[in-house]
Amino acid sequence: EVQLVQSGAEVKKPGESLKISCKGSGYSFTSYWIGWVRQMPGKGLEWMGIIYPGDSDTRYSPSFQGQVTISADKSISTAYLQWSSLKASDTAMYYCARFTDYSNYFDFWGQGTLVTVSS
Amino acid sequence: DIQMTQSPSSVSASVGDRVTITCRASQGISSWLAWYQQKPGKAPKVLIYAASSLQSGVPSRFSGSGSGTDFTLTISSLQPEDFATYYCQQANSFPYTFGQGTKLEIK
Repeated sequence: EVQLVQSGAEVKKPGESLKISCKGSGYSFTSYWIGWVRQMPGKGLEWMGIIYPGDSDTRYSPSFQGQVTISADKSISTAYLQWSSLKASDTAMYYCARFTDYSNYFDFWGQGTLVTVSS
Repeated sequence: DIQMTQSPSSVSASVGDRVTITCRASQGISSWLAWYQQKPGKAPKVLIYAASSLQSGVPSRFSGSGSGTDFTLTISSLQPEDFATYYCQQANSFPYTFGQGTKLEIK
């Protein structure tokens, strides 16, 4: 059974750093892209970026380039999303999702990680 | 970036109604379009991929059509569990942008 399990909710202060994770299981982790999607409170879905764990090829949305870093450790089948200096506007739910490039869509999603940034 | 525009932004309908949601891309995306359903507090779930292919396990009352720039999601006979927010997403070129969402509410 394919599963993406994300790390737990985080409460941080502005200026702090953070790394959240997404662990894949039940499939070949290195053979599928993993994407990250932001959903701010009460708002829609925003595509942030995507990584291919097989070779670490990473693409970012221009809106998020330079604001976050996406990485993966294929030895433990885990993808990451990290911030070096959080802002209050980073408060959101973050989802990881597996992307199948056979038909180009997100077929499995993590449960989401809620990040709250508040002083 | 390719902009995805959904209409309407919200729609009220009754159980048994037929509902159509439209998604327009700012440039051609071939058939690289997916539709997702999201319920409150839950992760999105794919309904349709490649514009018209029904994801395994999704009821056949959901259907998709279109290619190029204009796409539709149709729910043939609304069921109580279909009241949710629906998003389209293009996957023709990076960044793989989403539409702004369509909230389907009970009339």
